[in-house]
Amino acid sequence: SQTIHQWPATLVQPVGSPLSLECTVEGTSNPNLYWYRQAAGRGLQLLFYSVGIGQISSEVPQNLSASRPQDRQFILSSKKLLLSDSGFYLCAWSPGLAGGLDIQYFGAGTRLSVL
Amino acid sequence: GNSVTQMEGPVTLSEEAFLTINCTYTATGYPSLFWYVQYPGEGLQLLLKATKADDKGSNKGFEATYRKETTSFHLEKGSVQVSDSAVYFCASGLLIQGAQKLVFGQGTRLTINP
Repeated sequence: SQTIHQWPATLVQPVGSPLSLECTVEGTSNPNLYWYRQAAGRGLQLLFYSVGIGQISSEVPQNLSASRPQDRQFILSSKKLLLSDSGFYLCAWSPGLAGGLDIQYFGAGTRLSVL
Repeated sequence: GNSVTQMEGPVTLSEEAFLTINCTYTATGYPSLFWYVQYPGEGLQLLLKATKADDKGSNKGFEATYRKETTSFHLEKGSVQVSDSAVYFCASGLLIQGAQKLVFGQGTRLTINP
């Protein structure tokens, strides 16, 4: 069966420090991968998605970037964190069934506090 | 653009009460519709889905019907339990360039009291 792992579970970082959040998927190949952010009291906002290695689409211009160095690895990064980057970050994967229903499965999330 | 609007919370009910959480959507094209649930400290889990008009998704006693005429996908459960306490998200999805792009509502926090 497929599993998705995100780490760390919680992170406290000072303003201006770098960020690297990692997400890996097991038990499938060539998945679509997604990064979402859930700010306090708000819904989920899609940040990036990837349909293949090295292919990254950005939904919202901001202080973050994403990379996919391997088929089942998706990394969210920042060179300098802002206070507004605080939130709950969720990684998700989907099978990428062209023309069919493509359900997303979510990781447990990383709670990031920028102080 | 696409958007999802769902009933604002928080919603507090007693055990065995009837639950409705309203959700409406706007979309270009014909989206799939989803309800996800988020238990405290966890990620999102798919609760149910519907892919076309008049489809009814159901799971764990929850139901939602895809109503194209009212662009709605309201979540219902006849008798809630304390274990249903969670945040519920409605979402619409369109398959674009090989990826399912989901648009979420703001979430509705549900608390069930014994």
